[in-house]
Amino acid sequence: QKEVEQNSGPLSVPEGAIASLNCTYSDRVSQSFFWYRQYSGKSPELIMSIYSNGDKEDGRFTAQLNKASQYVSLLIRDSQPSDSATYLCAVNLSGGSYIPTFGRGTSLIVHP
Amino acid sequence: NAGVTQTPKFQVLKTGQSMTLQCAQDMNHNSMYWYRQDPGMGLRLIYYSASEGTTDKGEVPNGYNVSRLNKREFSLRLESAAPSQTSVYFCASSVMGTDQPQHFGDGTRLSIL
Repeated sequence: QKEVEQNSGPLSVPEGAIASLNCTYSDRVSQSFFWYRQYSGKSPELIMSIYSNGDKEDGRFTAQLNKASQYVSLLIRDSQPSDSATYLCAVNLSGGSYIPTFGRGTSLIVHP
Repeated sequence: NAGVTQTPKFQVLKTGQSMTLQCAQDMNHNSMYWYRQDPGMGLRLIYYSASEGTTDKGEVPNGYNVSRLNKREFSLRLESAAPSQTSVYFCASSVMGTDQPQHFGDGTRLSIL
């Protein structure tokens, strides 16, 4: 039973739009949340980490965390075709093992 | 600075053959992990090593064994390969016991006929 859920997509947005990717998790005590980007045929690469409620911005990327509602989201502003990839949400669930649980990923397509 | 290096990048095996996938990291990380990634299934943890000298099973350990050779190296062995083990295998490393993210190697694409 997967404890980190993502819509598999694909999510299709036009170039220049805001892409919104969502992730929900089952463990209310989770403390650490990560977004990885994975291009087709490549390995996951970290793009954002967030640990406390609220927004965290890094360039065109904003991570949003709401622990009470148990969701974390990633916003990509001014989406570019080069943003087309699968985005993986990872959550360090409680228990102290610090081994993240990954969602199955959301495929994002940014069309010109 | 290579990060996490996996060898080989591609391999084709016949059913029943054995093989060892190699992983090495140069970031002085304590923890290392092996995942497999299949279409639609996301990343599934096979085994991990929280620190040198320890290994533990993950979500899908059956058919695999691991060795933490030293702090840098963590290998994954398939003793008798089966077609169900056709997958992309990723090695990752991280700082132990913290909320820091994982760093991934480029992956090994393994096909078993």
